[in-house]
Amino acid sequence: AQSVTQLGSHVSVSEGALVLLRCNYSSSVPPYLFWYVQYPNQGLQLLLKYTSAATLVKGINGFEAEFKKSETSFHLTKPSAHMSDAAEYFCAVKGGGYSTLTFGKGTMLLVSP
Amino acid sequence: DVKVTQSSRYLVKRTGEKVFLECVQDMDHENMFWYRQDPGLGLRLIYFSYDVKMKEKGDIPEGYSVSREKKERFSLILESASTNQTSMYLCASSLTTATGELFFGEGSRLTVL
Repeated sequence: AQSVTQLGSHVSVSEGALVLLRCNYSSSVPPYLFWYVQYPNQGLQLLLKYTSAATLVKGINGFEAEFKKSETSFHLTKPSAHMSDAAEYFCAVKGGGYSTLTFGKGTMLLVSP
Repeated sequence: DVKVTQSSRYLVKRTGEKVFLECVQDMDHENMFWYRQDPGLGLRLIYFSYDVKMKEKGDIPEGYSVSREKKERFSLILESASTNQTSMYLCASSLTTATGELFFGEGSRLTVL
């Protein structure tokens, strides 16, 4: 079985501040890990993914995430927030083979001027 | 570019009606998925399909059925809509089951009165 916990349903930052969205996972096999972003009234768009290559993964729009096996974490960061980053972010985990993605409950990122 | 198209962005139906949600992908992907998204609950998997005429139950299949007669099309059916099925429905597809990256449509927001 696999699961994802996203800490904080809402995170507020000021424009230019560091963005940190937390994700912890559990998986009985080495996982694939994903971050998706959802802008208002749109579907989900892939930000980045970890598939057992480099532990530091760079994605679109300046986001990156680090896979830490010992902490079972895959936190999403961005050095400097922009107003356009305001959206809902979902972390997801997948085990091997024919397992499907399991999503966290999402974190709404609010960016103030 | 990858394209997943959901036929209706917004629908309003009455309790007891039969509802069809259509999804078409143009990427020749083998795998297709239907998720339901509710505030605070994230995305929950309803049904998925790894091949034409194949279907598998996800985490919350009750009250839903699906049809996949052609590779590019995956339909979600609510046999008798109820108010607790008011939700955002997201269709997704993926090329492989191995890494599981999903491509999403823009969603269908269903209101059942």
